[in-house]
This record gives sequence, C-alpha cells and structure tokens, in this order.
Amino acid sequence: EAGVAQSPRYKIIEKRQSVAFWCNPISGHATLYWYQQILGQGPKLLIQFQNNGVVDDSQLPKDRFSAERLKGVDSTLKIQPAKLEDSAVYLCASSLDFYEQYFGPGTRLTVT
Amino acid sequence: ILNVEQSPQSLHVQEGDSTNFTCSFPSSNFYALHWYRWETAKSPEALFVMTLNGDEKKKGRISATLNTKEGYSYLYIKGSQPEDSATYLCASHPNFGNEKLTFGTGTRLTIIP
Repeated sequence: EAGVAQSPRYKIIEKRQSVAFWCNPISGHATLYWYQQILGQGPKLLIQFQNNGVVDDSQLPKDRFSAERLKGVDSTLKIQPAKLEDSAVYLCASSLDFYEQYFGPGTRLTVT
Repeated sequence: ILNVEQSPQSLHVQEGDSTNFTCSFPSSNFYALHWYRWETAKSPEALFVMTLNGDEKKKGRISATLNTKEGYSYLYIKGSQPEDSATYLCASHPNFGNEKLTFGTGTRLTIIP
C-alpha cells in the first residue's frame, strides 16, 4: 500500500513570496490533516478535512494560509505572503478512522 | 499538566546501552496515547497506540508503558542500535471520535557507535 505522498520535499523562498504544498493521502482515507512543525516544537494541527469538507481550521492563520481538498482526495496548502516565522516542516497525514494517522515525509520550508 | 510534555529533549546513548524517556499528558479527558518515531528525512512512523491504564506494548527492542491515572507514558529501548537514532514523539488523543492529536516536542535520540 502506497503511503502519504508530499511535494516538494524542500522549498526555499524569500519573505512575502507565495508557496504551495501538495499532499496525496493513502487511497480510501477520508480524513486529511495538515500540521506545522516549527523547530523545537511538536507538530501543530493547522487544518483537518473530512472528505472535502473542513472539520477544524481553528489554528490556521487565515490571513495568509489557505487549504483546499478538491474531490476529497489530494490537498494543497498555500501560504501567501510568507513570513520568516513560517519556516517549518509541513506534514500531511491521513486516516481511515479516527484512531490512527499516517504521515507523509513532510515539506521543509525555509523563508529567508 | 495542561500540555503534552516530553523529557529529556535530547539524549545521546552508547550503542548497546538501554534507555528510556517520558511523555506526560493531561490525565483528565484522555482517550489514547500515541508514540511515533521520526527519522530525519522520513515520515513519522507509528510505534504504539495505547488506551488502557497499565497497558504495556512491545515491538522488537522497543516497549512502552502507560499510566492514565497519573498521566505519563515511558518508552524503553533495549540494546540501542544506530538505526534507533530518531526523534520520538508522543501525542495525546483526548476523546473517542475526536481525531485531534496534541503532540509533545519530542525526544531526539542519538546512538553513538
């Protein structure tokens, strides 16, 4: 069974630029999550989708971050414009039930 | 305990030695405790999901215990090997049917050959 795929794996941008990350979850997994992991901190949930509907986006900075999950499969997370403090690893995870989440390898974003 | 806390933050262990680290979590409003291993440039990998007080789980040389009454879990690694070098994350799962995980900051383990 293929795992959660993410791209790109690494991205370096200047502040005020835009960036987008892509995630393809495990086939059949209805729930998809985006996490932000800043160096020295634990992963923090940004947004959770159930199929293509948003379940929880309470910690998503909506003035600059947006996410969508078209057709309930792939998802993209966008940052526009990026700030220095957005430097982090962005993890995507998916789950079949509420119990266990499967993670992708993450995208390491550096904002200079 | 209001948040999930892990200690120590980092650890260097000689190859062949055994080690352990701690995860503390809110004991009220608890459903499950997850342990993940995250190697550099790879996906976080699920090690254990534990729900019952007194639970003990084992996977090869790695084992974990759970105390839900006092809100802590220990992860043990016996006879450390270089491939055990990774960040070990724990996450608290507060409610049945609520998928939101609260993660600790992780313990970064380095095995010295």
